[in-house]
Amino acid sequence: EAEVAQSPRYKITEKSQAVAFWCDPISGHATLYWYRQILGQGPELLVQFQDESVVDDSQLPKDRFSAERLKGVDSTLKIQPAELGDSAMYLCASSRRDTQETQYFGPGTRLLVL
Amino acid sequence: GESVGLHLPTLSVQEGDNSIINCAYSNSASDYFIWYKQESGKGPQFIIDIRSNMDKRQGQRVTVLLNKTVKHLSLQIAATQPGDSAVYFCAENIAGTALIFGKGTTLSVSS
Repeated sequence: EAEVAQSPRYKITEKSQAVAFWCDPISGHATLYWYRQILGQGPELLVQFQDESVVDDSQLPKDRFSAERLKGVDSTLKIQPAELGDSAMYLCASSRRDTQETQYFGPGTRLLVL
Repeated sequence: GESVGLHLPTLSVQEGDNSIINCAYSNSASDYFIWYKQESGKGPQFIIDIRSNMDKRQGQRVTVLLNKTVKHLSLQIAATQPGDSAVYFCAENIAGTALIFGKGTTLSVSS
């Protein structure tokens, strides 16, 4: 069964450092999402791609966060500089074409900022 | 007035019982709903979805009920097993927008 891949699974960094997360969606899925999940809460969307284009980044803190999906397949989410409040689970999800197709999530990257 | 489908942050059941997890969604214009199961340290796992033109959908051991009048969604799990222990989230959206997740419910199943 195809799955969304994410790496690394865990990341510990010091504040002010740069971190990057990688996501490989299910093959053929045109829509890719990055979510942030704070412990005890539901995921919240950071950015949504349709192929290589950003379609929603309204909740992405653009002063420190950036995301790209250059070839419309895998994607990278970067934080620079990391802050203590960025400690969370970063989840990637993908769906076949639009937002009302089932979104399948990867295992997430657990980030701890010290 | 009476609260229909009050959200509970935790639910404890015995193995073999039926479980009902409730969710109140926020946007009356939402037309697509999903239930996810999330085990500790893992990403959410799709369970079942339903569109607003339906009021019930069944899967394997799970049933989702949608009441648009009171903006309420429920997930019923039949014959709950210890492996069902997890946090369950409902999510809603309107076509073209991102999923919005509700508050999770932690299901604990004791044998």
